[in-house]
Formats: sequence, C-alpha cells, structure tokens
Amino acid sequence: DAGVIQSPRHEVTEMGQEVTLRCKPISGHNSLFWYRQTMMRGLELLIYFNNNVPIDDSGMPEDRFSAKMPNASFSTLKIQPSEPRDSAVYFCASSFMSHGEQYFGPGTRLTVT
Amino acid sequence: SQELEQSPQSLIVQEGKNLTINCTSSKTLYGLYWYKQKYGEGLIFLMMLQKGGEEKSHEKITAKLDEKKQQSSLHITASQPSHAGIYLCGASRGDYKLSFGAGTTVTVRA
Repeated sequence: DAGVIQSPRHEVTEMGQEVTLRCKPISGHNSLFWYRQTMMRGLELLIYFNNNVPIDDSGMPEDRFSAKMPNASFSTLKIQPSEPRDSAVYFCASSFMSHGEQYFGPGTRLTVT
Repeated sequence: SQELEQSPQSLIVQEGKNLTINCTSSKTLYGLYWYKQKYGEGLIFLMMLQKGGEEKSHEKITAKLDEKKQQSSLHITASQPSHAGIYLCGASRGDYKLSFGAGTTVTVRA
C-alpha cells in the first residue's frame, strides 16, 4: 500500500486566498484525522471522520476552516480566507479502527504571507 | 499537550551508545503510542502499548509501559545515525483521540 497520500506537499499563498489541502487515506481504513503541527502548540487534532461522517470538529479553530470527506478515499481541508497565523504543517492520518494506531501522511507545509 | 510530559526535550548521543526517552502522564492511559518524525516528513508509527508492564521491541528499539500505565520509556540500543529524529509519544484514553507530547529531538553524532 502507498500509505496516506497528501497534496500538495508545500503551499505558499497570500493572506486572504483560499487554500485546499487534500488527503487519500489508506484503503480499508474507516477513520480519518486532520492535524495541525506548530512549534508553539505541537500536534493538534482538528477534525475526526468515521465512515466518512464528521464526528468531532471541536479542534477546528475558526469558521474559516472546513473539512469534507465525500467518499472513503478522499478528504479535503479548506481554509478561506487564509491568514498568516494559519502557517503550519497539516497532517492527515487514517486508522483501521477509531481507536487503533494512526498512520500519518507526509504532511502539507502551508505558508501564508 | 500538557497531559503528557516527555523528557528530555533533546539529547545528543555518540553513535553506538544507548539512549532512553521518557513519557509521563498524570492520568492512567488506555494506550500509549510511540512515533518517530524526521524534519519535513510525517510521523512513523513505531509501537503501541496497552497492558501494564508490557514491553515491545523492534530491531534496536524497546518500549515499556509501567504497571500503573502512567509512564512509558523508549530505549534505543547501540544508536545509529538512522535513529536521529523527533520521537513523540501519544496517549489514548480509550477513544479516537490521541494527545501527543512535545517530542524529544535525538541527534546521533558519528
């Protein structure tokens, strides 16, 4: 298996622009997680999907952030409008069970200028 | 996460020497996960511990969970340059949420 796939790997955008991050989980995994990693706050859970349904979005910082999972093999995290403080590495992870080990993608390094 | 304390924050070890990283929780853990991260890359799953007193090994890396399930240690024997990176522990309370420690940066000097 190719593992969790994320795109793009790097994104540089200007403040106010819309940003869309993409994730393909490992085939057969029914749980998907979006995380954000920064030096100040470490690794934070943004949203959790189970069987394509958002279960917990309490970690989504603001209404500017939204996430979708239209099918079992694809998810997006959108930021609109983006702000410099959104600069971070965003990870997608998937697991076979909701409480099993999570497998992480390579991440998307987002820079908002 | 303030729920998990990792120590040390960073360490430098001579190639061939052993090292130990600790992860401590103020609450009883359902599960404890160890991950390794290299700069610019994602987290690589190493091991998961669930039972008090459990110990698992993979190649030269051994992880233990104490009897009270509140502390775990990761031990690397005869370190190599490939062991360099950031090691993170993640704690589960029995549901889908993992809370991560701040990480321990390991540098291996040749």
